[in-house]
Amino acid sequence: QQQVKQSPQSLIVQKGGISIINCAYENTAFDYFPWYQQFPGKGPALLIAIRPDVSEKKEGRFTISFNKSAKQFSLHIMDSQPGDSATYFCAASSEASNDMRFGAGTRLTVKP
Amino acid sequence: DAMVIQNPRYQVTQFGKPVTLSCSQTLNHNVMYWYQQKSSQAPKLLFHYYDKDFNNEADTPDNFQSRRPNTSFCFLDIRSPGLGDAAMYLCATSRDFQTGNYEQYFGPGTRLTVT
Repeated sequence: QQQVKQSPQSLIVQKGGISIINCAYENTAFDYFPWYQQFPGKGPALLIAIRPDVSEKKEGRFTISFNKSAKQFSLHIMDSQPGDSATYFCAASSEASNDMRFGAGTRLTVKP
Repeated sequence: DAMVIQNPRYQVTQFGKPVTLSCSQTLNHNVMYWYQQKSSQAPKLLFHYYDKDFNNEADTPDNFQSRRPNTSFCFLDIRSPGLGDAAMYLCATSRDFQTGNYEQYFGPGTRLTVT
């Protein structure tokens, strides 16, 4: 049962462009939405996270936009750099379920 | 630096030969998780420990077991590895989700090959 749907599967962006990855969730009990960045051969690393009491959170070049009514959230990477090339996973969690449900992942390639 | 450590980073085992993967943490977190990640897929939760309480995912095969002898260490035992168990195994920790501390910190993973 896929509780978090992520798109696109892969994304190619030119250096300096904006990368946008979208996620949608089903379970309204989710109350924590992180994004993880994973490089090949490494474990996922927490990039940025949001809770549903805010609609946007920005940390440097990374912004999460959150739409509670639509049950959607997205990651925007401004001024994308080749070093941002990695796989990005959205996820959702709640106190009730206590486990993290991951999206399928987006493989981002930033071309120089 | 506080961190999550996994050993070994690469493990090769034979079909049906038991194998143990190890995870340790210096974060003093209450919760430890084991995930299986196959190529180009999302991490899949196998089970987690909340302190000493073990919580198994419903679809985790019986072939997979876990032990947590103390706060710092957690082990993943695969009793009879099959070819389909070849994957990256990720250990993660979180402070205490019951108090809203959901952030999970992942180790580098152990890549398991089954021959």
